[in-house]
Amino acid sequence: GESVGLHLPTLSVQEGDNSIINCAYSNSASDYFIWYKQESGKGPQFIIDIRSNMDKRQGQRVTVLLNKTVKHLSLQIAATQPGDSAVYFCAGPSGSASKIIFGSGTRLSIRP
Amino acid sequence: DAGVIQSPRHEVTEMGQEVTLRCKPISGHNSLFWYRQTMMRGLELLIYFNNNVPIDDSGMPEDRFSAKMPNASFSTLKIQPSEPRDSAVYFCASSLTGGETQYFGPGTRLLVL
Repeated sequence: GESVGLHLPTLSVQEGDNSIINCAYSNSASDYFIWYKQESGKGPQFIIDIRSNMDKRQGQRVTVLLNKTVKHLSLQIAATQPGDSAVYFCAGPSGSASKIIFGSGTRLSIRP
Repeated sequence: DAGVIQSPRHEVTEMGQEVTLRCKPISGHNSLFWYRQTMMRGLELLIYFNNNVPIDDSGMPEDRFSAKMPNASFSTLKIQPSEPRDSAVYFCASSLTGGETQYFGPGTRLLVL
């Protein structure tokens, strides 16, 4: 079946540096992907999404890159701040209507 | 907009008791999702509704779990009888189109002793 996963369970970054969180997927027919941020004690929060007809999409301090050739996407956070500490999930369609699959998540921690 | 509302935020109960979790989706959203999150299994979709109709309940663990959506603004997830292995955070999410961006509630943290 389809899968969406993340490469690393944890990532530690120096405050002010850029963070790159990676995700791989298996379904080449997936037409969109979503990144969520989950802070401690809260529900996942939408950050940014990208359609399969795009290679790159930028938001405020965040950029998502999609490489369909190797079925890989990444979330880049510029000038990482303490408030960026959270678990980040990529999610994509499961193949059946309305369902999305969440990756296992990467916990981003910020070093002062 | 108040976002997705869930209640209770925390629930502690004893094994064998009935547990009812409640969710109010964002007004106007036509799809509603129930998820369970644990350290071991991550975020799992239990069931989702489209226009108040259950579409896919393949993620519901067993017959002890049931979910209803009597109207567009309310859904319940019931566990009867509850077991310690049901301890988890249960999230409700809603969306406009059903297949894309889902907006999550704050979750209900359930502990079954």
